[in-house]
Amino acid sequence: QLQLQESGPGLVKPSETLSLTCTVSGGSISSRSYYWGWIRQPLGKGLEWIGSIYYSGSTYYNPSLKSRVTISVDTSKNQFSLKLGSVTAADTAVYYCAGQYGDYADSPFDYWGQGTLVSVSS
Amino acid sequence: QAVLTQPASLSASPGASASLTCTLRSGINVGTYRIYWYQQKPGSPPQYLLRYKSDSDKQQGSGFRSRFSGSKDASANAGILLISGLQSDDEADYYCMIWHSSAWVFGGGTKLTVL
Repeated sequence: QLQLQESGPGLVKPSETLSLTCTVSGGSISSRSYYWGWIRQPLGKGLEWIGSIYYSGSTYYNPSLKSRVTISVDTSKNQFSLKLGSVTAADTAVYYCAGQYGDYADSPFDYWGQGTLVSVSS
Repeated sequence: QAVLTQPASLSASPGASASLTCTLRSGINVGTYRIYWYQQKPGSPPQYLLRYKSDSDKQQGSGFRSRFSGSKDASANAGILLISGLQSDDEADYYCMIWHSSAWVFGGGTKLTVL
């Protein structure tokens, strides 16, 4: 059974870059069957897809965030990462990493990390 | 106008059925979309419930029994999550999701209270 775990700073200053890593266990991130994504949720609010990546490095971003987002994969560590630049208080949220079995545009997010709260504040 | 609109809250009694709606914005035809549903309990990540496009194109998430089912109301341009035989454990937030304009889009969620 796949397990995902987010890690990274819980506090980021405005205008700086938010960086998070997701470690995948119980399976290989290089599996051709999976896509890997990031989703966030401001406290008490709804969900927002940030983007997804394939083991090959192909990326798919939410157009609304694309200019600030970079998602990368490190197959040697079984990890994928999120960088979100020029953050503001509006980026304060719980950030989830998730796995999709199948195509990135046609499959549900089956596997989720527990989420990590990132606050943007000076 | 949001792409997906869900009622903020819904209350229902134990043992009853609950219909949660996910209305697509005017101009976006519900018939052409697979609608995915998630359940989220406080302090936990969302869990995938099911996918529904039509009776011939549907999928149940693992670990969720047939008390949860999907449908559509074409006249309302909406996807529907039906939960039958409500239990206290069904109390949660429910989100719908579609792939639209090269992005995954979520509805705002419905808080289901079972009382």
